Amino acid sequence: DTAVSQTPKYLVTQMGNDKSIKCEQNLGHDTMYWYKQDSKKFLKIMFSYNNKELIINETVPNRFSPKSPDKAHLNLHINSLELGDSAVYFCASSLGLAGIEQFFGPGTRLTVL
Amino acid sequence: QKEVEQNSGPLSVPEGAIASLNCTYSDRGSQSFFWYRQYSGKSPELIMFIYSNGDKEDGRFTAQLNKASQYVSLLIRDSQPSDSATYLCAFLGSNTGKLIFGQGTTLQVKP
Repeated sequence: DTAVSQTPKYLVTQMGNDKSIKCEQNLGHDTMYWYKQDSKKFLKIMFSYNNKELIINETVPNRFSPKSPDKAHLNLHINSLELGDSAVYFCASSLGLAGIEQFFGPGTRLTVL
Repeated sequence: QKEVEQNSGPLSVPEGAIASLNCTYSDRGSQSFFWYRQYSGKSPELIMFIYSNGDKEDGRFTAQLNKASQYVSLLIRDSQPSDSATYLCAFLGSNTGKLIFGQGTTLQVKP
């Protein structure tokens, strides 16, 4: 019973392609997040949604577009992939807006060639 | 100044010793502080949170917070090889509600 799941786990693609990462949580949480962890291990928030509404939208290129069809799902679509997009992308969820305890998914390692 | 500063390490301690991990943060208004553990190739998991000045103990882990000095630490007593991981310090931004993470300190516990 995975609490926060992401697919795919690995994604290898060419520059310029468009790709999507999917996230689902079965914890009944109402807030979901996307984080990016670069090669230096910095974990940085990109977006958060609360009950399908965008709450946090960091300074992220508009090639990145999140979408939350319902409060259990948060997907991330990336257009025109660039080398610098290579990173591990983590989805997370929490109960409430304050995000006191965030549960992370297993991560998606994106490699752009 | 980085929002959260941690020594990236690696911090190496022998099995059974006390590991001390430190973190400073920039947001004076923040009230909520967290320690996440991340094993290599895995996702972060919350191990401690602390809101009040002083110490908070949970098993072998003790979190310490000093808001005046904007300093938070994590002590791991009787360190085990299974504690070898990267420890991420984080705080909840007072105006933003965002969780801001440090770079993490890599801990190696040698048998």
